[in-house]
Amino acid sequence: QKEVEQDPGPLSVPEGAIVSLNCTYSNSAFQYFMWYRQYSRKGPELLMYTYSSGNKEDGRFTAQVDKSSKYISLFIRDSQPSDSATYLCAMSAGGYNKLIFGAGTRLAVHP
Amino acid sequence: GAGVSQSPRYKVTKRGQDVALRCDPISGHVSLYWYRQALGQGPEFLTYFNYEAQQDKSGLPNDRFSAERPEGSISTLTIQRTEQRDSAMYRCASSLETQRIGVSGSIGYEQYFGPGTRLTVT
Repeated sequence: QKEVEQDPGPLSVPEGAIVSLNCTYSNSAFQYFMWYRQYSRKGPELLMYTYSSGNKEDGRFTAQVDKSSKYISLFIRDSQPSDSATYLCAMSAGGYNKLIFGAGTRLAVHP
Repeated sequence: GAGVSQSPRYKVTKRGQDVALRCDPISGHVSLYWYRQALGQGPEFLTYFNYEAQQDKSGLPNDRFSAERPEGSISTLTIQRTEQRDSAMYRCASSLETQRIGVSGSIGYEQYFGPGTRLTVT
């Protein structure tokens, strides 16, 4: 079993929809949780970052962490075609930045 | 400013040959990481440096893989006696420092990824 599980999709939604992306994990030592966006043929870029449990909002994006359930989510409101990309969750136990990534979920937002 | 750069962008090599992949981090970034990303998968941690010191090489698959960062800036990932299973995208990332987390969980250590080197072993 992988430390981080993420549904690879693909997920196809109409423009304006609310998108929910999720990851589960098994290592209770994880303290830092990140969401990266990766466009085709590009490197991952950091979208959201959360320390420990709770919610964090940044514009149309909201990240949630539920450590009791070992479950993290990324919500995208008013999705746009430019949001079409692969979304990767990543996490670390701290100490340094050895990130453990999920497999990524491919999202397609169609006009 | 300039981001993380990697060279070559594409490398095709024959099985059994050695390859060297180069990473040039963002200027002033202390920490440098190597990841391997298979198609349809997330990046997999290989190794990590703080300045010139290799802090963790637990992700290197076997002793054919090695990395160095002799002057604390540019890093080279070397794969000896390449095998077909080594074919993947190799990504480098750098961060300003190892960890600096404030009480609000600020992203003091965001990793910036390079474009990667696509390695194909035939």
